[in-house]
This record gives sequence, C-alpha cells and structure tokens, in this order.
Amino acid sequence: ETGVTQTPRHLVMGMTNKKSLKCEQHLGHNAMYWYKQSAKKPLELMFVYSLEERVENNSVPSRFSPECPNSSHLFLHLHTLQPEDSALYLCASSQELGRTEVSPLHFGNGTRLTVT
Amino acid sequence: ILNVEQSPQSLHVQEGDSTNFTCSFPSSNFYALHWYRWETAKSPEALFVMTLNGDEKKKGRISATLNTKEGYSYLYIKGSQPEDSATYLCAFKGGSQGNLIFGKGTKLSVKP
Repeated sequence: ETGVTQTPRHLVMGMTNKKSLKCEQHLGHNAMYWYKQSAKKPLELMFVYSLEERVENNSVPSRFSPECPNSSHLFLHLHTLQPEDSALYLCASSQELGRTEVSPLHFGNGTRLTVT
Repeated sequence: ILNVEQSPQSLHVQEGDSTNFTCSFPSSNFYALHWYRWETAKSPEALFVMTLNGDEKKKGRISATLNTKEGYSYLYIKGSQPEDSATYLCAFKGGSQGNLIFGKGTKLSVKP
C-alpha cells in the first residue's frame, strides 16, 4: 500500500456543490499538509497540521476548510468554490523531528479538481 | 516575500548527456533545502534534504551541492536516461519554524 493515499483522483464540481477531499497516510508521521498546484505556479502551502496544531496560510479563502481528526487522516472540505480554484491538490505528510533535524515530505498522487 | 527561483524552466537532452540545473534562494535565515523529483502522473518524491553549507549529496547518478552563503544549490544528473524525465523541484525552509517555499521546477526531458 502506498504511503500517502488521496481520494478521489479526479473531481468535477459546480460552484454551488459541497465536496471533500480525503488523505490518509500509513507512515506513522506526525504532520500533514495540503498543497495547491495551479498551472505555471509553484506548489503553494494551504494548511499544516503539525503535532495536532493547525497552522494556516492566511491567504487561503474560507471556502476551503481543513479537518484533521487524527494524525493519519486529513480532509479538505470544499464549499462554493470558484472556477479559479481548479487545480491539483496534493496532500503530504512528514515526521516532525527535533528542532535541529529536518525530514522530507511524502506526497500523495493528488486530486485534480475542476470547478465548473 | 521569499522567492525560490529555478533555472532553466525546461531542458531537453539526449540520452547519455550529463546535465545540471540551479535553485536560488534567500541567503539569510537558511535552515534547509529540499530537492524533489516529480514524474508525470505520479507524486513528488524526495531526493535530498540538505542543511549544511558545502554539503554534497549523491543518489546513484544524481547529486546535489549547496551554497548557503550565496543562496544556490545545483542538481547534477550524470549520463541522463529517459527514466530521468521529470520535473525537479527545490524547496527552501527559512528558520526551524518556517514552511517550505517551492520553486516552479525544472522540467527535464531525456530523448532516447
């Protein structure tokens, strides 16, 4: 089984729909992330849950709402999105170590979202 | 605003060629520099995490160097193979509490 699993792989939704993206990690990590990849832009951090504390990017609109019920699961709830929100949404996890150590991110395959 | 720049944006080489590309990042408050390989239809995969000035890391035919004082890292691929075709991303972490800031990537295509 892959380390970080995201569902669905593809999602098409209307602007008035409510949908959720799901991410699950099987690596025993203690931090999980949502990233957004828009065309011709770098990967953009949306939300982090690290050691059960949520850290957000203040530029993320409130129509995106994360939920992290435990260290293995992460959701991104979507509500009244706009066409410009169409993008690839990547989940990642990592093991947050001591202050002097760093660890790499482990990514899922992403959800390709199209908002019509 | 922290900026991470990667060059070139894209690169086409023949099988067997050696190649390299650059990641530039802020030289102040450096904590770590990550390199990832992202193949089409797959997930980004970590190659290296580098923390010390002068660090050099190697994984098979791929190696990376780090200069934190001048704010750049090079990624080298020796004897490129078609399976090396991917987008190579670098990401800068400023400070122990900082988040990773990604560059736009270098897209490498290796022709057989």
